[in-house]
Amino acid sequence: AQRVTQPEKLLSVFKGAPVELKCNYSYSGSPELFWYVQYSRQRLQLLLRHISRESIKGFTADLNKGETSFHLKKPFAQEEDSAMYYCALPYNNNDMRFGAGTRLTVKP
Amino acid sequence: DAGITQSPRHKVTETGTPVTLRCHQTENHRYMYWYRQDPGHGLRLIHYSYGVKDTDKGEVSDGYSVSRSKTEDFLLTLESATSSQTSVYFCAISGGQATDTQYFGPGTRLTVL
Repeated sequence: AQRVTQPEKLLSVFKGAPVELKCNYSYSGSPELFWYVQYSRQRLQLLLRHISRESIKGFTADLNKGETSFHLKKPFAQEEDSAMYYCALPYNNNDMRFGAGTRLTVKP
Repeated sequence: DAGITQSPRHKVTETGTPVTLRCHQTENHRYMYWYRQDPGHGLRLIHYSYGVKDTDKGEVSDGYSVSRSKTEDFLLTLESATSSQTSVYFCAISGGQATDTQYFGPGTRLTVL
């Protein structure tokens, strides 16, 4: 069955350091993957999606079919990047499966 | 924020009582979803709707029912609340299917004592 795994519940980096939030998936076919983010006291919102191949707030994510991964990366973390990050995968046309989430803390 | 509101925002109730949570949208989106958010589990889909009176089960639907009598409202009912249903509940909407961007409401924190 399709599922998403985020192996790190917590991730802490210093400001200016590179950050990588891991996401692995299991899916038979060509997946479309998403990263959603929830900042403190804000709503969960889309950060980026695989199909658009764009960079949002300096974040990028590359789909690696060989490793079945969709890791989220940013070369220089900022304090305002501190948030909860969820990787997500459509289970079927109507159902989105989310990972357990990774809480990123960027320390000054 | 997309025009999505949830009510109530906080609720404390006792085991065995019925509870109804409301999601209201002003975006005229076809799809509406109810998720629960729990530590270690992320977001899990409870039920979704793909149109008025059209609903289906998600991953964790046991103990929950939904109704959608109007495009703008999607109700989630716990017929007899249990402590395991203590959670934060999020409503989301999208214009298309799951592969479209989902827009989330502010969440409802439910505590079942």
